[in-house]
Amino acid sequence: DSGVTQTPKHLITATGQRVTLRCSPRSGDLSVYWYQQSLDQGLQFLIQYYNGEERAKGNILERFSAQQFPDLHSELNLSSLELGDSALYFCASSRQENSPLHFGNGTRLTVT
Amino acid sequence: GENVEQHPSTLSVQEGDSAVIKCTYSDSASNYFPWYKQELGKRPQLIIDIRSNVGEKKDQRIAVTLNKTAKHFSLHITETQPEDSAVYFCAASGSNDYKLSFGAGTTVTVRA
Repeated sequence: DSGVTQTPKHLITATGQRVTLRCSPRSGDLSVYWYQQSLDQGLQFLIQYYNGEERAKGNILERFSAQQFPDLHSELNLSSLELGDSALYFCASSRQENSPLHFGNGTRLTVT
Repeated sequence: GENVEQHPSTLSVQEGDSAVIKCTYSDSASNYFPWYKQELGKRPQLIIDIRSNVGEKKDQRIAVTLNKTAKHFSLHITETQPEDSAVYFCAASGSNDYKLSFGAGTTVTVRA
């Protein structure tokens, strides 16, 4: 167990809908990262937060947004969902920036 | 931003043989290079990492080498075992931000 908790584990929704994915980092970790992994694909970086502040952004769609709250948990919001958004979404946390990432078990999103 | 290329995409080895995976990166100021192992349906897990002030690091059957001049780093697995079968990802962390950019992954199959 990595100590990173992601909920829900699975999510099935229809096109055009909006969903929220939640992540609780390991105790003491200040940095949270979000990655998207499509079927048989690599890990695409979406966004990173450090102690509540956005620090780096990848190729995140405008339909996607995220935030890190004062208690350090993070949420990834996906709106106007399309079939191509179906993927495994991983959250990872680290003690500081540029230190080992610990991944959660992911949320599998299926858009029908 | 940082671009990480990983080769080969698939690798099949006989049990007991060695496996080598190579990665190149684009940002000469990158200074953190971890390797992750992802088994089918599971989260990526850190197996070894190296920083730019070190040329080589070893942990039992796993070793990583870094050539800063050539901007490439490699993972070496010796005496491979069936449980080494998985997808392996290399990654590099940039200098100006701390987002971790991943290679496309190498699917390693160890034949018994």
